[in-house]
Amino acid sequence: GQQLNQSPQSMFIQEGEDVSMNCTSSSIFNTWLWYKQDPGEGPVLLIALYKAGELTSNGRLTAQFGITRKDSFLNISASIPSDVGIYFCAGRNTNAGKSTFGDGTTLTVKP
Amino acid sequence: DTAVSQTPKYLVTQMGNDKSIKCEQNLGHDTMYWYKQDSKKFLKIMFSYNNKELIINETVPNRFSPKSPDKAHLNLHINSLELGDSAVYFCASSQDQGLGAPLHFGNGTRLTVT
Repeated sequence: GQQLNQSPQSMFIQEGEDVSMNCTSSSIFNTWLWYKQDPGEGPVLLIALYKAGELTSNGRLTAQFGITRKDSFLNISASIPSDVGIYFCAGRNTNAGKSTFGDGTTLTVKP
Repeated sequence: DTAVSQTPKYLVTQMGNDKSIKCEQNLGHDTMYWYKQDSKKFLKIMFSYNNKELIINETVPNRFSPKSPDKAHLNLHINSLELGDSAVYFCASSQDQGLGAPLHFGNGTRLTVT
């Protein structure tokens, strides 16, 4: 089946630093999505990408849909304590009916 | 207003018991899902329903039986619970099943089987 690998698995950073994480796949997707999960809650959508090469921002977050359609990255600028959580990438194909999730990047931000 | 709501939030039960988890969405979405999140936080799809019709069944043991009485509800019944069933179960919904619409998740049901 399709596999999504996220890296790094975990990050420990200082408040104010920028963060970069990525997601690679063994097969192509035509939609990439990034979610954040806070403790005790379900994942919440951060950014959706629908076109190869697309670069999309949402506040301090920026994500890009790789040209090969097999990867995506997420950047967080000027991190703050509430950025703590698990970040998941997910790939989806039209008519596949499901999203395949990466194994997550756990972010810890030290004040 | 909670968009996707699951009950109960916590469920502790013994091996061999049968239990149900309920899910409701008020977003007017056509498609609903059950995902399982294991202890390593990996999210794996179990089932998908579109307008009350089963679309995806990801080789889940037949002890797990989803039921969708209408497109706003998708319940999960689990028979003969096993230790390995312990996990967090997430219900989710999306506007459609095929066009890449994002998922809206509930807050999960933490199932512990002892």
